[in-house]
Amino acid sequence: SQTIHQWPATLVQPVGSPLSLECTVEGTSNPNLYWYRQAAGRGLQLLFYSVGIGQISSEVPQNLSASRPQDRQFILSSKKLLLSDSGFYLCAWKGPLNTEAFFGQGTRLTVV
Amino acid sequence: KNQVEQSPQSLIILEGKNCTLQCNYTVSPFSNLRWYKQDTGRGPVSLTIMTFSENTKSNGRYTATLDADTKQSSLHITASQLSDSASYICVVSVYGGSQGNLIFGKGTKLSVKP
Repeated sequence: SQTIHQWPATLVQPVGSPLSLECTVEGTSNPNLYWYRQAAGRGLQLLFYSVGIGQISSEVPQNLSASRPQDRQFILSSKKLLLSDSGFYLCAWKGPLNTEAFFGQGTRLTVV
Repeated sequence: KNQVEQSPQSLIILEGKNCTLQCNYTVSPFSNLRWYKQDTGRGPVSLTIMTFSENTKSNGRYTATLDADTKQSSLHITASQLSDSASYICVVSVYGGSQGNLIFGKGTKLSVKP
């Protein structure tokens, strides 16, 4: 069966520090991978998606970047965090035929 | 513009009561509609998925309806339990197009009180 792992679960980082959130998927190959952010009281906002290794599409301009160094690995990064980067970050995957999206457990990021 | 609107924004009910959550969408072309349950601090988990031709689908105490003509969906929860306390998110998929084609509602936060 397919599983998705996302870590860490919580993170407190000072303003200006770097960020690296990792997401890995098991039990499937060539998944579509997604990074979402959920601000308090707001819906899920798509940040990046990837349809293959090294292929990254950005949905909104921001202080973040994403990379996909391996087929089942998706990384969300920042060189210098801003206070506005605080939020709940979710990684998700789905099959290429527009099937259901499966979400990781999320990372609560607080920038102080 | 593709949008998904959910109501109410929040809801408080007593344990054992029923409730209905609403989802209106303006998404075209429509592929399917899903209802997710998201516990606080966790990732969303799918409850139901409905395609254009489906009107009703049940998953235990959860029953989703879809009216493709009026572009409305509802999620009915029967005999609510304390564990039903969560955010319920309506997600509509755009047929074809880019891979980032899931349109999310902002969710309804449900609190079930004893």
